[in-house]
Amino acid sequence: AQTVTQSQPEMSVQEAETVTLSCTYDTSENNYYLFWYKQPPSRQMILVIRQEAYKQQNATENRFSVNFQKAAKSFSLKISDSQLGDTAMYFCAFMKLRHSNTGNQFYFGTGTSLTVIP
Amino acid sequence: DAGITQSPRYKITETGRQVTLMCHQTWSHSYMFWYRQDLGHGLRLIYYSAAADITDKGEVPDGYVVSRSKTENFPLTLESATRSQTSVYFCASSDPPEWTLSGRFWGGSTRDTQYFGPGTRLTVL
Repeated sequence: AQTVTQSQPEMSVQEAETVTLSCTYDTSENNYYLFWYKQPPSRQMILVIRQEAYKQQNATENRFSVNFQKAAKSFSLKISDSQLGDTAMYFCAFMKLRHSNTGNQFYFGTGTSLTVIP
Repeated sequence: DAGITQSPRYKITETGRQVTLMCHQTWSHSYMFWYRQDLGHGLRLIYYSAAADITDKGEVPDGYVVSRSKTENFPLTLESATRSQTSVYFCASSDPPEWTLSGRFWGGSTRDTQYFGPGTRLTVL
């Protein structure tokens, strides 16, 4: 079974500073995807960034970047120049790829609550 | 508006009642998913569907029933609601995965990304 662990239930960061959220996962799969989703107080789940396991280059999306360490099964999210709108719950997710027509399953961590302090 | 919607957004019901949560998406995504979100558990998959009339169990399917008669709709029914089913329910959808150039596995584009609805907060008294 796949498991996703986020060991930091809560974090805070000063506005304009940089913060890193950690995520580790356990799998025997070689091909998979990893995601970070953001859930603001509105409860909507918003995709932040995705990483394909077969790509060595770390994904970046504007102020968001990841440090993907496949051998260590680590997938941390770095938020640069933190903004008040970044305050949210952040979920790390693992998606196993399948050779079938039954869909790709996502496995989520328990989340990290990030507060950006003005 | 295009996207994925859920209704109702809030629901209070009593133990033993049947409740149906609706999910509708306008992207014509093949895959749809139902998750529940509880403190300490993150999101857990209840059921998913690869296409109309194709559904399969996820991690926590007991007490739930789904159907997918049309691609755009994926209702979730609690046949006899229990207090343990008090939760926030999220519906999600995605395109089908694509073969990579190597053909060895499916994937390789944003088609694999799941897009979530706004959620339904269900309280069972």
